[in-house]
Amino acid sequence: EDQVTQSPEALRLQEGESSSLNCSYTVSGLRGLFWYRQDPGKGPEFLFTLYSAGEEKEKERLKATLTKKESFLHITAPKPEDSATYLCAVQFSGGYNKLIFGAGTRLAVHP
Amino acid sequence: SQTIHQWPATLVQPVGSPLSLECTVEGTSNPNLYWYRQAAGRGLQLLFYSVGIGQISSEVPQNLSASRPQDRQFILSSKKLLLSDSGFYLCAWSGTKNNYGYTFGSGTRLTVV
Repeated sequence: EDQVTQSPEALRLQEGESSSLNCSYTVSGLRGLFWYRQDPGKGPEFLFTLYSAGEEKEKERLKATLTKKESFLHITAPKPEDSATYLCAVQFSGGYNKLIFGAGTRLAVHP
Repeated sequence: SQTIHQWPATLVQPVGSPLSLECTVEGTSNPNLYWYRQAAGRGLQLLFYSVGIGQISSEVPQNLSASRPQDRQFILSSKKLLLSDSGFYLCAWSGTKNNYGYTFGSGTRLTVV
């Protein structure tokens, strides 16, 4: 069964304290892995797409990496405005562009 | 540029009442359209997707239905709401020829009382 698991479920950081979020997946024929940011009461906002193992993408304090079984979202020197839920999703061959989402990691960055 | 509109933002409905949530996309043609539900503290569950007018695929058996009467319009409906239908409903679209992921609407918070 195709599955996406994110860890930790929740993460509390002090401002400036770097850390990583994990997304592990079991799908056949990965076409892409996506990271989204979701603020409370809003729709998810697209961050990155990764297509193959070894690929990396960066945006401001965020860096996403991909291996054959998992992806990491590294947050360097986070600020309070980085507080949000971060969602990982995978797209697989034959899935009609469908995305399977993980449950997300709730990140809280305190000053 | 492409935009997606979803309404209403919040809705409180009694058990047994009907439901209609609407989603429209602008600035693109022949998009793939999706309805997701997000329960509190949980991930997004795909409910329906559509690759064209009148073409609806259901992912999970449930009390809801979807329709696509026009290319850029996607409607989520129910004849009689259940308490378990409460949740945060999200509409999304994606291109058919690229892989830039989904663009989501702002969501509808549905509370069935």
